[in-house]
Amino acid sequence: LAKTTQPISMDSYEGQEVNITCSHNNIATNDYITWYQQFPSQGPRFIIQGYKTKVTNEVASLFIPADRKSSTLSLPRVSLSDTAVYYCLVGGTRSYIPTFGRGTSLIVHP
Amino acid sequence: GAVVSQHPSRVICKSGTSVKIECRSLDFQATTMFWYRQFPKQSLMLMATSNEGSKATYEQGVEKDKFLINHASLTLSTLTVTSAHPEDSSFYICSASGQADSGNTIYFGEGSWLTVV
Repeated sequence: LAKTTQPISMDSYEGQEVNITCSHNNIATNDYITWYQQFPSQGPRFIIQGYKTKVTNEVASLFIPADRKSSTLSLPRVSLSDTAVYYCLVGGTRSYIPTFGRGTSLIVHP
Repeated sequence: GAVVSQHPSRVICKSGTSVKIECRSLDFQATTMFWYRQFPKQSLMLMATSNEGSKATYEQGVEKDKFLINHASLTLSTLTVTSAHPEDSSFYICSASGQADSGNTIYFGEGSWLTVV
């Protein structure tokens, strides 16, 4: 299983763009990168998933360099409601067992 | 998107009793389900992996006789905490993997708070 490393915490302000980087140096060829958001007392919520280059959806963008040893979740114009813990997970398809690291606690200030 | 539902969301039980938590995949068939527990301000800790129709695979340190997992159908897995003790109080989360929006995506339930008194 590819181990992931993220910053433990980040602070931002409303309206700013937030970039959270995850390191996964031993990512395997068939591994995808998935980001989840978790609020207190709730299960993790899927944000975005990618394999290479750039993926964008209505809530975030995911940037993956060519070597795929890291990835960056970009949240445009954050609001107070984006205060949460963000987890980066790396895994393949069939035998994928989602294992969580410590995640990044993002606090958005007014 | 795919939905995974847990029930109950909160439960209080007395020490020594057993409590069952259900995890359902509502719009897809979940060949594999995972159970986690999470303590306040900590990450999710994987307890076990269950595949439909077979015995669950437990992580090291998780007592299989205490945390009974049954995955009898492609849409339902249950976690039964037997002879519960106050130290079993925690937030339990299930997740499911299957052919949904993307075969590679894992979806999580809302979580279940267990309080043992």
